[in-house]
Amino acid sequence: GEDVEQSLFLSVREGDSSVINCTYTDSSSTYLYWYKQEPGAGLQLLTYIFSNMDMKQDQRLTVLLNKKDKHLSLRIADTQTGDSAIYFCAESYSSASKIIFGSGTRLSIRP
Amino acid sequence: GAGVSQSPSNKVTEKGKDVELRCDPISGHTALYWYRQSLGQGLEFLIYFQGNSAPDKSGLPSDRFSAERTGGSVSTLTIQRTQQEDSAVYLCASSLLGGGLAGDEQFFGPGTRLTVL
Repeated sequence: GEDVEQSLFLSVREGDSSVINCTYTDSSSTYLYWYKQEPGAGLQLLTYIFSNMDMKQDQRLTVLLNKKDKHLSLRIADTQTGDSAIYFCAESYSSASKIIFGSGTRLSIRP
Repeated sequence: GAGVSQSPSNKVTEKGKDVELRCDPISGHTALYWYRQSLGQGLEFLIYFQGNSAPDKSGLPSDRFSAERTGGSVSTLTIQRTQQEDSAVYLCASSLLGGGLAGDEQFFGPGTRLTVL
């Protein structure tokens, strides 16, 4: 079945790295995503990774995929106050258009 | 406009009333999606349109929910006889191609917050 799980909260100190973790159950996932939702705003796609990759880096963002353990993580280097948001892990399949989302991790930044 | 727009941004209704939520996708996008985000929950897929037809409506929670899309553009999500559990943020997204194609990013609107009293 389709299920994406992630912890609800994460608090990090400004300037530290944030690591948000996610697990999924369906091994046939083709794409895995990280979305960001800021207060009062729509979802913004941060990055996505194909299931045949194990890492993707984009500026301060690093995505790691462990397909064997069905574990996806998002690392944000040098976390800033502007990174405060809810981060959603999600998956989809090449044969379907819908995206299956996790419940989101609320990232808060402390000074 | 440059992005996906939705109206109204907020809707408060009484239990049992019908509501209509509107989505204007990005111009030229053939695919349109509706999702629902309940408090403390992730996004729940409702329905997907390719053009004016809906090849996947598996996420509609009951027959009180329906959606249509006309002219390959605007979509309306209708909830009949609303219940308190329908209270949520309803998000619309559009993408250029649909069909789960590689790199076909879904762009999300700001959502409509529905409160059923």
